[in-house]
Amino acid sequence: QSALTQPASVSGSPGQSITISCTGTSSDVGSYNLVSWYQQHPGKAPKLMIYEGSKRPSGVSNRFSGSKSGNTASLTISGLQAEDEADYYCCSYAGSYVVFGGGTKLTVL
Amino acid sequence: EVQLVESGGGLVQPGRSLRLSCAASGFTFDDYAMHWVRQAPGKGLEWVSGISWNSGSIGYADSVKGRFTISRDNAKNSLYLQMNSLRAEDTALYYCAKDIVPDIVATTAFDYWGQGTLVTVSS
Repeated sequence: QSALTQPASVSGSPGQSITISCTGTSSDVGSYNLVSWYQQHPGKAPKLMIYEGSKRPSGVSNRFSGSKSGNTASLTISGLQAEDEADYYCCSYAGSYVVFGGGTKLTVL
Repeated sequence: EVQLVESGGGLVQPGRSLRLSCAASGFTFDDYAMHWVRQAPGKGLEWVSGISWNSGSIGYADSVKGRFTISRDNAKNSLYLQMNSLRAEDTALYYCAKDIVPDIVATTAFDYWGQGTLVTVSS
């Protein structure tokens, strides 16, 4: 049950686009289209941003998009805004358990 | 409005037990799988355990298998986590989270989270 691999930090300026990668294995990300992404602001509970790889829950901005290629999933945020500054976690179903990534801190410069 | 309210956390000595509860409201509780996810201070999210709508499927992280037991009472709209043989590394904020599907055999995502209950394991 190894954690998915995410970059520790990414940054971008307002209006730019950034992409956060999430690398797993053929036992988790690569086997299932069941990757989700969560946004967490300091002191707050996580918020679902993307599920089943690329679907957005109602109320989530279309600036957020998800994709997957092989064992790597990606979250892209376009038109960066100050309020996007937060920690982001990927998550995947892995057959008999669920695994999260280590998290990525997004800084909006 | 969906609400998940955790309770039962606190300071406990290593080796002792604690039982967490999660009271759910605002949705049909027995239509969905439920999970516990924890976050150690300053660290990332870690899935702990999940249970399907009818308790027919249950899963645990290797780190808690054999020590923690998840259960639910659909009549009371409540989720529980019995934690035995607690260790210092179990210190974390424990979140209750609602799945978007009924069964954990295809867990897709957690769409609602509580605010968490803090468990501190220390002598």
